[in-house]
Amino acid sequence: AQTVTQSQPEMSVQEAETVTLSCTYDTSENNYYLFWYKQPPSRQMILVIRQEAYKQQNATENRFSVNFQKAAKSFSLKISDSQLGDTAMYFCAFMGSNAGGTSYGKLTFGQGTILTVHP
Amino acid sequence: EAGVVQSPRYKIIEKKQPVAFWCNPISGHNTLYWYLQNLGQGPELLIRYENEEAVDDSQLPKDRFSAERLKGVDSTLKIQPAELGDSAVYLCASSLGPRWQDTQYFGPGTRLTVL
Repeated sequence: AQTVTQSQPEMSVQEAETVTLSCTYDTSENNYYLFWYKQPPSRQMILVIRQEAYKQQNATENRFSVNFQKAAKSFSLKISDSQLGDTAMYFCAFMGSNAGGTSYGKLTFGQGTILTVHP
Repeated sequence: EAGVVQSPRYKIIEKKQPVAFWCNPISGHNTLYWYLQNLGQGPELLIRYENEEAVDDSQLPKDRFSAERLKGVDSTLKIQPAELGDSAVYLCASSLGPRWQDTQYFGPGTRLTVL
């Protein structure tokens, strides 16, 4: 079974600065997919960024980028130029694939990291 | 475009009572998920539907939980009877399909409190 671990229960950052959220995972699969989701207070969870494990290039979405280290099974999220609206709970998630290489839709989430951006 | 709609947003019941949650996915989304989110934790998948077929219900406690997705659109999740430990947020999500490229869109959730 896959497990996802986020070792930082809470983080804080000043507005306009950069912060990195950590995530490690455990799997025996070779082909899988990784995600970061954001859950603002009292609002819906939304996808921030995703990464295919077989792609070595790190994914980037505007101010959000990842550092994917496959050998270390590490998938950290970097938020540049932090904004007040980035305050949220961030979840790292894993999706595996079947023998045919097709992903099967099940997300396994970590425990989450509460990020607070201070003005 | 309307997002995933869930109702009710909040529900308080006594233990041993039944409760039902409703979800309306984004139009055209064939895949529907029900997740359980305990306080301060990440969501855990309860059941996944492809159209009207439940294709992954291995995490659903079938002795007290049931779900249905008639006509492959709306879905209902039921608990009968509810226990104190069922207090949590129940999230519904939908996506075009089950592939990793198919973004899962989440609803606001139903917060259940069992007294």
